[in-house]
Amino acid sequence: QKEVEQNSGPLSVPEGAIASLNCTYSDRVSQSFFWYRQYSGKSPELIMSIYSNGDKEDGRFTAQLNKASQYVSLLIRDSQPSDSATYLCAVTHTGNQFYFGTGTSLTVIP
Amino acid sequence: GAVVSQHPSRVICKSGTSVKIECRSLDFQATTMFWYRQFPKQSLMLMATSNEGSKATYEQGVEKDKFLINHASLTLSTLTVTSAHPEDSSFYICSAEIGRGRDEQFFGPGTRLTVL
Repeated sequence: QKEVEQNSGPLSVPEGAIASLNCTYSDRVSQSFFWYRQYSGKSPELIMSIYSNGDKEDGRFTAQLNKASQYVSLLIRDSQPSDSATYLCAVTHTGNQFYFGTGTSLTVIP
Repeated sequence: GAVVSQHPSRVICKSGTSVKIECRSLDFQATTMFWYRQFPKQSLMLMATSNEGSKATYEQGVEKDKFLINHASLTLSTLTVTSAHPEDSSFYICSAEIGRGRDEQFFGPGTRLTVL
């Protein structure tokens, strides 16, 4: 079983809609959770970090963490074509090694 | 803040040559840096973890004699691909951990290596 699993997509949403990206992880002792955005040909860019159960909002982005169910999600409100990218979920355990998911490709249709 | 640079951004070399890639944290000191490789349409693959002043820790299957990593200072780590072959062609990305109780990793812009 992979450490971090994401639906590869592609996920398509119309402009202005809410995009919902999901990620599950296997290790219950996971401590830190991150969402990165990666445009084609570019390196990942940190969008959100979340450490405790519940929601964390930053602008149009909301990260949701549920440790009991071992999932973390990212909601993008009022999706824009510029949000079209691959979104990577990352999880850490003790220490500093990141475990990345394979990413979900999002396309926002104008 | 938390800016990481990489140089060069793109390199084309002949098979058998060595290529050095630099990764610098510009506005913070990074005790730990990471080197990743990414093939087209695939996810990031961690190659090694680099700690300042000590030997790098390589992931299983990554040849340490082929991918030489040096972390000589708190702001600079280098990856040298020795005797490069076409199958080493990939997108190499470094990241740095900001530390001081924060465990986010910030990525450099990446280096696209093409070995002819």
